[in-house]
Amino acid sequence: GQQLNQSPQSMFIQEGEDVSMNCTSSSIFNTWLWYKQDPGEGPVLLIALYKAGELTSNGRLTAQFGITRKDSFLNISASIPSDVGIYFCAGREYGNKLVFGAGTILRVKS
Amino acid sequence: DAGVTQSPTHLIKTRGQQVTLRCSPKSGHDTVSWYQQALGQGPQFIFQYYEEEERQRGNFPDRFSGHQFPNYSSELNVNALLLGDSALYLCASSTGTSGTLTGELFFGEGSRLTVL
Repeated sequence: GQQLNQSPQSMFIQEGEDVSMNCTSSSIFNTWLWYKQDPGEGPVLLIALYKAGELTSNGRLTAQFGITRKDSFLNISASIPSDVGIYFCAGREYGNKLVFGAGTILRVKS
Repeated sequence: DAGVTQSPTHLIKTRGQQVTLRCSPKSGHDTVSWYQQALGQGPQFIFQYYEEEERQRGNFPDRFSGHQFPNYSSELNVNALLLGDSALYLCASSTGTSGTLTGELFFGEGSRLTVL
């Protein structure tokens, strides 16, 4: 099935570092969403973007909706241990159907 | 206020068998969507139910079928199970099916199906 191209696939962080991930698509979406999934749980919505060029923050998280409507990025500032998990981007199609990326795994450097 | 609840949480089946997964939407929600999440992948849309009818369907064979009840709860049925059907099956609820809907999808914790 169709998926968005999400990168990086995985990354290691140290506490206090800033983190950046992005998502691209060959299709245009009118809404971009970022979810986080912890082990054994379903995805939880972090940020929703509704307009091209929109920049939205949620605490230490900032996301932008690309001007072409084919891409989005998510930044996490001053990471903390509980930020580890899998982050998914998703584009919303008509009727609230979501198309997901393959995810970015965030791990803590030991 | 209960969120989206799914049952069972885990189950094991053998090839060729049939399985039924259940979902109760978040209070106040009337639309249920089902997603399949294979290991290491993002969720893939299976179908969506609203007003007890299938409104949208993803690229899944007819072995995957569903139902929505008057109380908005839903079932996902998979017949003639294949090894490749092993996955986490996620239910998400929302309100309505308008193309301009901005309400978020709330996901349940999923049902982990293993096919041997």
